[in-house]
Amino acid sequence: DIQMTQSPTSLSASVGDRVTITCRASQSISSYLNWYQQKPGKAPKLLIYAASSLQSGVPSRFSGSGSATDFTLTISSLQPEDFATYYCQQSYSTPPEYTFGQGTKLEIK
Amino acid sequence: QVQLQESGPGLVKPSGTLSLTCAVSGGSISSSHWWNWVRQPPGKGLEWIGEIYHSGSTNYNPSLKSRVTISADKSKNHFSLKLSSVTAADTAVYYCARGVYTYGHYYFDYWGRGTLVTVSS
Repeated sequence: DIQMTQSPTSLSASVGDRVTITCRASQSISSYLNWYQQKPGKAPKLLIYAASSLQSGVPSRFSGSGSATDFTLTISSLQPEDFATYYCQQSYSTPPEYTFGQGTKLEIK
Repeated sequence: QVQLQESGPGLVKPSGTLSLTCAVSGGSISSSHWWNWVRQPPGKGLEWIGEIYHSGSTNYNPSLKSRVTISADKSKNHFSLKLSSVTAADTAVYYCARGVYTYGHYYFDYWGRGTLVTVSS
């Protein structure tokens, strides 16, 4: 199976900061990489699909990049509502065996 | 607006079978989407369990495949999860989610709120 590793596992930042979260795949997954945001007690919410495509309704301060094994999620200017846990997920496997990263918890400094 | 809602017992005994249903509204499970189950143990990350297409085709996580059955009822517009021989390690919030392909890329765009299932005697 394809292992997804995120770094850091936790991150403290301030409102207005630029933040980058990294996700690495154990093998090349082309651009079959999605990002989700999860707040406590809530379901995950899709932010980015296909590595860099912004889901409808998601603020433009969120962006994704990368291909093959290395990917990043960037928040250009943190807002109070962005403090949450972020997960990457690969959809490259055939037959399907979708796997998630372990998550990155973004906390207020 | 598609909405998904999980339902089922919140407590299951060890060695028993966990059974959940996901009701879909605002859309049809007969549409060109896959219907998924994802779980999250308390304080931990997300694990994909499996998916079903309205044709009845299924895909399962190999680590759970021997214990999982996902089925769909088009007449009720819902799909279901059965997980057998449960242990405490199966205690988790269980989510249902819609899977969609866009230009060959697959992702989960709509999720239910999740339901906590505890395995305990």
